[in-house]
Amino acid sequence: NAGVMQNPRHLVRRRGQEARLRCSPMKGHSHVYWYRQLPEEGLKFMVYLQKENIIDESGMPKERFSAEFPKEGPSILRIQQVVRGDSAAYFCASSLQNTGELFFGEGSRLTVL
Amino acid sequence: SQKIEQNSEALNIQEGKTATLTCNYTNYSPAYLQWYRQDPGRGPVFLLLIRENEKEKRKERLKVTFDTTLKQSLFHITASQPADSATYLCAPPSSNTGKLIFGQGTTLQVKP
Repeated sequence: NAGVMQNPRHLVRRRGQEARLRCSPMKGHSHVYWYRQLPEEGLKFMVYLQKENIIDESGMPKERFSAEFPKEGPSILRIQQVVRGDSAAYFCASSLQNTGELFFGEGSRLTVL
Repeated sequence: SQKIEQNSEALNIQEGKTATLTCNYTNYSPAYLQWYRQDPGRGPVFLLLIRENEKEKRKERLKVTFDTTLKQSLFHITASQPADSATYLCAPPSSNTGKLIFGQGTTLQVKP
């Protein structure tokens, strides 16, 4: 059973471009979470999704950020018009139920030039 | 608001000793709490989950306690090894949707 797959592992964008980060949860997992980690800082919750539904987006910036988890395919975290402050590691995690352990991917590291 | 606090300073111990890491939470009472390990450049890995009705939980050399009165969880690694060097994160769920809220983590360095 493959673990949580994230791609790309590294992404470089110039200011103003768009970044798309993809996450394929573990097989059978319907709960997906996105977290952001800045250097030397902790994991900050961004969004919690189930198939086709956003359950909790309280950690998402109001502008430029969006997330989806379609019926088919991976979950996508989309950042429009990136700025240098968006540079961070973005981690996706999945779980079988929302009270269970999280299985994390290895993260996508975004660098904005 | 719900707040999670872990020792921000790195913990340096000698191989073979017991490492004890602290996690304090305020402004709510989680039904359970999880501990994760994170190595540099990697995603966190689940270690243990302890529920509010469990005072203590063990897994090999790991032991977690959960004191709902003190609002504190302690994470112990006995007979520590250099391979235990990593950042350890505590994560109780939020009170509404159950998403995990992570502490900042404590970095443990075990010296041979």
